[in-house]
Amino acid sequence: DGGITQSPKYLFRKEGQNVTLSCEQNLNHDAMYWYRQDPGQGLRLIYYSQIVNDFQKGDIAEGYSVSREKKESFPLTVTSAQKNPTAFYLCASSIGTGFQPQHFGDGTRLSIL
Amino acid sequence: GIQVEQSPPDLILQEGANSTLRCNFSDSVNNLQWFHQNPWGQLINLFYIPSGTKQNGRLSATTVATERYSLLYISSSQTTDSGVYFCAFRGDSSNDYKLSFGAGTTVTVRA
Repeated sequence: DGGITQSPKYLFRKEGQNVTLSCEQNLNHDAMYWYRQDPGQGLRLIYYSQIVNDFQKGDIAEGYSVSREKKESFPLTVTSAQKNPTAFYLCASSIGTGFQPQHFGDGTRLSIL
Repeated sequence: GIQVEQSPPDLILQEGANSTLRCNFSDSVNNLQWFHQNPWGQLINLFYIPSGTKQNGRLSATTVATERYSLLYISSSQTTDSGVYFCAFRGDSSNDYKLSFGAGTTVTVRA
């Protein structure tokens, strides 16, 4: 079945540590996105990528970094500069960045130790 | 930016009841989607409905773009319908790629 796989489901970060969240899709979608969700709130865009080797900042990119070396993969690194990283992170993809629906993975919960 | 208001914020239903959830927008939107986030956090695509009406089993949705609102109907509710329902949209600009989310309606279906 085609879909979006996020791993791990749960992740713990120590102070000063960088952690990387994985997102892989086998839908052959060009565009991929990372969103952050805080408790009781909707989603906010961190980064998006329209095509391989290209990505753009979203509304809350500070303290995060991404790469897009392969069409299928869009990993998100939460750096030590992100002072409040505890949240639920969701990856999405769409056929393109035109007016088309976005499809979501099951998410990764990140907590601070 | 475009403002979205979801109503009601909370809804408690007895199993078998019907309900209507609403999203109102302050301006024209595109890519209108409805999602169900279950208690485990999974965000499930319900409808992609920039305009018109769609039905999928017990759920249906209607978007009236000219009047800037969308409705989600749940009929014969079941306990598995519990969770948070979000409407999400893109703005009118072709350079605005993000989905903006409403605050959600929390639905609790009691057996």
